[in-house]
Formats: sequence, structure tokens, C-alpha cells
Amino acid sequence: ETGVTQTPRHLVMGMTNKKSLKCEQHLGHNAMYWYKQSAKKPLELMFVYNFKEQTENNSVPSRFSPECPNSSHLFLHLHTLQPEDSALYLCASSQVGLMIANEQFFGPGTRLTVL
Amino acid sequence: GQQVMQIPQYQHVQEGEDFTTYCNSSTTLSNIQWYKQRPGGHPVFLIQLVKSGEVKKQKRLTFQFGEAKKNSSLHITATQTTDVGTYFCAGGSGSARQLTFGSGTQLTVLP
Repeated sequence: ETGVTQTPRHLVMGMTNKKSLKCEQHLGHNAMYWYKQSAKKPLELMFVYNFKEQTENNSVPSRFSPECPNSSHLFLHLHTLQPEDSALYLCASSQVGLMIANEQFFGPGTRLTVL
Repeated sequence: GQQVMQIPQYQHVQEGEDFTTYCNSSTTLSNIQWYKQRPGGHPVFLIQLVKSGEVKKQKRLTFQFGEAKKNSSLHITATQTTDVGTYFCAGGSGSARQLTFGSGTQLTVLP
């Protein structure tokens, strides 16, 4: 248990469906992240929220829509996805420091399959 | 943008042999972190290096940060089957809010 939970753990959806991934951190951190991990590819940073404000959006397609209602919760809303979006979606949190990036705590991930 | 390259991509070793993975950044880093991801699991933080030339040890694991703060290595002495997994380096730069992850080295230990 890292203090970061994600639901659901597995999700299968069609290309016309709308679904949401949920992440919750119980560590009192002030930053949360969404990563995409595909087979044989490095971790791809998708979104960063710092103090509930989105500070990074690494050219992610608009079919992925993040939401951060408070510093403990993070959502990733999905709609009209493509089969190539199938991957492990990891949420992470950290305590942002002034000088360096602190360690990130990852949730167990949501294994997404788009049919 | 910043790029972090990691080699090798895969490594198979016999149990008891040593293992090393290398990480190189295109830019000077403020710090570097190492994570381990077991098969079917998620990345778990191992260690952070901040100082130029820093060396840290965790039992059989030795982590180094280069003098120029652009490269790093993880060395495992006498591997065990419990060392199986993918090892990622992650470099931090000017922004304190994100890390750039390397592509990872997948380690297989043969009994």
C-alpha cells in the first residue's frame, strides 16, 4: 500500500463509451499526476496538478480530460477512445518542493482495454 | 525538451551475477531518482541522488550520480530472483513539478 488508490483496476470499453478513472491519495501531498504506460514504452507523463491547478499538459489528445476537484482526488475522463489508447494508466502523487522534484508515490494503476 | 535515455532495455543474468543499468540525460539534472516496477506492479521509489558524484548504497544495490549530473547508474551485486523487474531512472530538472522517466531496463534473473 503506497497511500494512493485507483479505481477501477481493470476497464474494458468500446470506442463510443464514456468512462472515468479515479485516483485518491491519502498522503497529504500537493501534486498529482497521470501517466500512461504502454507495452515496451517509457512512462509518459500526461497531466500534472499542483495545488489543484493543472500545470502541465503534455500534448494529450482532447479525448482525455482530467479533473482535480481537490488536492486528494484526481479523475481522468475518457471519451471516444481509440484502440491504441489501451494501456496501464498510473496515478501518482508527491509533495512538491521548492528546489527539486520529490519522490512520487504511484497507485496500482488501471489496466484499460479499448475495443 | 529534456530526454533521459536508459540502457540496456533488457538484461538476462544468471542468479549470482552482477547487473548494471545506465541512465543518460540530454541536459544537466537537479536530481535523479530510481524506481523499481515488479511484473504486474507499479513503480516503487528506491532512492534519490542530488549531489554531483554522489554514491549511495542499499544492501546489494549501488547508485551513482555523475560528476556532471547528466548520468547515473544502478549496480546490483550478486543478483537474486527477487531482483526481477523493470528499473527506471527519472531525472528532475529546473521545474520542481515533474520528472522525466527513462525507458527502463527489464531485468530477468535465471535461477
